[in-house]
Amino acid sequence: QSALTQPPSASGSPGQSVTISCTGTSSDVGGYNYVSWYQQHPGKAPKFMIYDVSKRPSGVPDRFSGSKSGNTASLTVSGLQAEDEADYYCSSYAGSNSYVFGTGTKVTVL
Amino acid sequence: QVQLEQSGTEVKKPGASVKVSCKASGYPFTGYFMYWMRQPPGQGLEWMGLINPNGGATTYAQKFQGRVTMTRDTSISTAYMEISSLRSDDTAVYYCARHLGTGQFDFWGQGTLVIVSS
Repeated sequence: QSALTQPPSASGSPGQSVTISCTGTSSDVGGYNYVSWYQQHPGKAPKFMIYDVSKRPSGVPDRFSGSKSGNTASLTVSGLQAEDEADYYCSSYAGSNSYVFGTGTKVTVL
Repeated sequence: QVQLEQSGTEVKKPGASVKVSCKASGYPFTGYFMYWMRQPPGQGLEWMGLINPNGGATTYAQKFQGRVTMTRDTSISTAYMEISSLRSDDTAVYYCARHLGTGQFDFWGQGTLVIVSS
């Protein structure tokens, strides 16, 4: 399994939107609607932000949204806030209880 | 509240083994698979494998088969991940994570730093 491809960095000013892509294959992202996203601040454990492509767990602001088209999933953060500055990782189910993670994207709030 | 408490930092020499623990609380331990991931310094997350605490069945990523062993002790709600024949590129933060459902790792341990150095 190869890691899912994410852009290394993305940025936006407070209040703006930023979109992060996550590209895989038909064996993972394209084959299942089980894409999730995790936010990770420096030195901290990942935090569960999106699941099933576009669903938000309880407590996650609706500024965070997800989508998928073919082998590429996307995370959009609208109304950027300072606390959104973090690394973001996508993950996809890949069959037989296995998962593959993305390479990670560092989001900077300008 | 759900909590996963991991053991502390380990420093090991190449060729040695290390066993990391993950103590669960706040939920029925046998009701959810436990996954293990790792994150080398400055790099991304990597899936290592899982254990079903109800029965102990395991699945390992092909990369780690033969070198990693995942076990659990249901009497103390604790999962373990042991990796042998350590190499310098095994230096990473190792995480346990509760698997709520397909594609959902809803709670993570705080991470255990394993340093492999001669």
